[in-house]
Amino acid sequence: SAVISQKPSRDICQRGTSLTIQCQVDSQVTMMFWYRQQPGQSLTLIATANQGSEATYESGFVIDKFPISRPNLTFSTLTVSNMSPEDSSIYLCSVVVGRDAKNIQYFGAGTRLSVL
Amino acid sequence: SQQGEEDPQALSIQEGENATMNCSYKTSINNLQWYRQNSGRGLVHLILIRSNEREKHSGRLRVTLDTSKKSSSLLITASRAADTASYFCATALSGGYNKLIFGAGTRLAVHP
Repeated sequence: SAVISQKPSRDICQRGTSLTIQCQVDSQVTMMFWYRQQPGQSLTLIATANQGSEATYESGFVIDKFPISRPNLTFSTLTVSNMSPEDSSIYLCSVVVGRDAKNIQYFGAGTRLSVL
Repeated sequence: SQQGEEDPQALSIQEGENATMNCSYKTSINNLQWYRQNSGRGLVHLILIRSNEREKHSGRLRVTLDTSKKSSSLLITASRAADTASYFCATALSGGYNKLIFGAGTRLAVHP
């Protein structure tokens, strides 16, 4: 398993600004993921954060809007850029520990973002 | 598009009753997992069932998998108020690289 610290836990932001969300893991992990959960909805994968290379984005998500960094095996950031009210969601990071062929993911507590 | 669809969307029961949630998916999977989310917080892994398994138990949880129908069910027996949460199925696709596709979720409310 893994302990994941995600910051901030919540924020209220103005339209047009950007917010960077941090995800810190207590051990080195191979796979890190970023999800968006819109109000009352399920989780949608934004991207896979790859250590030492660019993130792999899912259809409908682009790097200019959601730049991701992963400088090492325990840390990643997701930036929500040029925010609009439609970006109001919970953003979650998750990890897979080791070479877990079961694909079990461990999640941070999430960042609840409100854009005014 | 989402791989898994779940029903019911919402379920309200009394403590002590059983709760059953269903999940359907569209393509071949490596395994299927169930997660719980309390009040918009992070998800917690509950149970995993592999594609070659038909039933799995963990405490008060029972999961079934029917690959011919591409469906799964989660049964929570003798429910408690603390079971109140949203429950999501997630499928790990065959040949995937740890990516999970989450279903729409079922909101369970257990009343004392």
